[in-house]
Amino acid sequence: GAGVSQSPSNKVTEKGKDVELRCDPISGHTALYWYRQSLGQGLEFLIYFQGNSAPDKSGLPSDRFSAERTGGSVSTLTIQRTQQEDSAVYLCASSLVGAPSYEQYFGPGTRLTVT
Amino acid sequence: GESVGLHLPTLSVQEGDNSIINCAYSNSASDYFIWYKQESGKGPQFIIDIRSNMDKRQGQRVTVLLNKTVKHLSLQIAATQPGDSAVYFCAENKGQGGGSNYKLTFGKGTLLTVNP
Repeated sequence: GAGVSQSPSNKVTEKGKDVELRCDPISGHTALYWYRQSLGQGLEFLIYFQGNSAPDKSGLPSDRFSAERTGGSVSTLTIQRTQQEDSAVYLCASSLVGAPSYEQYFGPGTRLTVT
Repeated sequence: GESVGLHLPTLSVQEGDNSIINCAYSNSASDYFIWYKQESGKGPQFIIDIRSNMDKRQGQRVTVLLNKTVKHLSLQIAATQPGDSAVYFCAENKGQGGGSNYKLTFGKGTLLTVNP
């Protein structure tokens, strides 16, 4: 079946502009995660959605970052007034809740470049 | 502070050799560890996991070893192939229970290069 998809694959934007990144999780996965991966770094947790529960936003680096998940499926990560330090690959993952292995399935990521 | 890190940022091996990628963790409360493989331009892909009540787990050509005494995790790849070239990440789950047991903390990754 289809895996996690993300769009766009690449995004170049000017400093100060807003961007929206999209994630389509695997059908049936109720948990959705956003991570940020800076060059040569590991994955930094940003936000977690689980069903109808309040999302865990503890990883969002500033109030310029926000995310929504509509209808328990598609999610959008929005970065307002982008800064150069926002340049990174933004990864989305989904999983079954309570999966025995806590296995998260990752999308290919969106590479964001802020000029 | 709590962290998951890697001893070697890069590893170069010859095709057919065995590879060993190491990872140190600092949170003794972690109860679950995962290895991910990330190829260029792709998202991380699950390889193998191990729970803290285990010392060793084997998969297809891969073995994960967990040494809780020294808080060390390793991934062994047998008969390394060019297709194994990628960045390998270890991740830990702190098992906080409740609503936060989903969080994974990732290391920075090791770049494995397999030379033909």
